[in-house]
Amino acid sequence: QKEVEQDPGPLSVPEGAIVSLNCTYSNSAFQYFMWYRQYSRKGPELLMYTYSSGNKEDGRFTAQVDKSSKYISLFIRDSQPSDSATYLCAGYSSASKIIFGSGTRLSIRP
Amino acid sequence: DGGITQSPKYLFRKEGQNVTLSCEQNLNHDAMYWYRQDPGQGLRLIYYSQIVNDFQKGDIAEGYSVSREKKESFPLTVTSAQKNPTAFYLCASSPQRGGSNQPQHFGDGTRLSIL
Repeated sequence: QKEVEQDPGPLSVPEGAIVSLNCTYSNSAFQYFMWYRQYSRKGPELLMYTYSSGNKEDGRFTAQVDKSSKYISLFIRDSQPSDSATYLCAGYSSASKIIFGSGTRLSIRP
Repeated sequence: DGGITQSPKYLFRKEGQNVTLSCEQNLNHDAMYWYRQDPGQGLRLIYYSQIVNDFQKGDIAEGYSVSREKKESFPLTVTSAQKNPTAFYLCASSPQRGGSNQPQHFGDGTRLSIL
């Protein structure tokens, strides 16, 4: 079992829809969680960084962590064609290296 | 502008040849990393360095070598021993605070192919 799992997609939604991207993880020691956005032929760009459980909002993006179920989510409101990319989740503890999911490919249809 | 610069963007390797990928950062970060990205497999850690003149193997170090002679530079050599080198290589860096990991920032990658 991979330490961080993501559905690879592709996920296709119409412009303006709310997008929900999800990951599960197996290491209960993970305290820090991140979401990266990666456009084709580019490096990942850090979108959200959260510590422990709860929600964090930044503009149209909300990251949610549920440590009891080992589930992390990224919500994108009012999705735009420019949001079309691969989204990587990642988690780690203070004693571990960062573990990345394999990414979910998202396509926003105009 | 602070960031991570990887070069070249595209690289071709002949059989039996060693090639070196460049990674330079001006973020004043202590730690630097090399990842390999293959379709459907996510990021796999090749080598990392938390301080100048020191580095550790990651999960897939065989066939690769690195050096860290300067804080801002962390070149990766793909040797002829790496039998399947075709991949997208990503360099990352992060600050170190209290010895613990911090979020990593990435360069725009080098795509390596076999001729």
